[in-house]
Amino acid sequence: GAGVSQSPSNKVTEKGKDVELRCDPISGHTALYWYRQSLGQGLEFLIYFQGNSAPDKSGLPSDRFSAERTGGSVSTLTIQRTQQEDSAVYLCASSFGTGGLRGYTFGSGTRLTVV
Amino acid sequence: DAKTTQPTSMDCAEGRAANLPCNHSTISGNEYVYWYRQIHSQGPQYIIHGLKNNETNEMASLIITEDRKSSTLILPHATLRDTAVYYCIVRPGEAAGNKLTFGGGTRVLVKP
Repeated sequence: GAGVSQSPSNKVTEKGKDVELRCDPISGHTALYWYRQSLGQGLEFLIYFQGNSAPDKSGLPSDRFSAERTGGSVSTLTIQRTQQEDSAVYLCASSFGTGGLRGYTFGSGTRLTVV
Repeated sequence: DAKTTQPTSMDCAEGRAANLPCNHSTISGNEYVYWYRQIHSQGPQYIIHGLKNNETNEMASLIITEDRKSSTLILPHATLRDTAVYYCIVRPGEAAGNKLTFGGGTRVLVKP
């Protein structure tokens, strides 16, 4: 597609359940990033994938969070045993290389609400 | 990555130029200045970036001081659709460093 696609756009889940969030990056983009944004807050880096290199997981807030990127394209962010503080908009972005020349392209995000 | 300082908010009049300042006094030689904006309920959007020379594209102009300790993003003719949070970010360029670190940004309100 022309842009970064994220699904679902909205997700309401009960506390303690697991959720999976999906990101389809722009075709040909080698780098993929996950951020989250709590209500009224700035963007918090979570994880970064670049080609076949080991991902940079330095931003994952706990071991309940994990992400994978299969075949160098689609990525799934999984949150296990969700907590209310996990409620946020989860944003995915992709770029050529490290995004130095053209920047990142962000998707519209998945709004996660844990009740 | 170097830290940036931006005003929390600013208003500007529709049709006038909007000048958004950013201080990055600890910027190092290999770090670029990037600007993104985030319109309500959307993901951030890349605007422009530069190293030391002034840059212009279809969206905006970026003016970087000679000592590179500060920069200004200029929206030449602000429209109501330019209302957004504008983020100034410094990071290493293409060859090094990966993730963008977003600060609080400047909340810009364009008024009719």
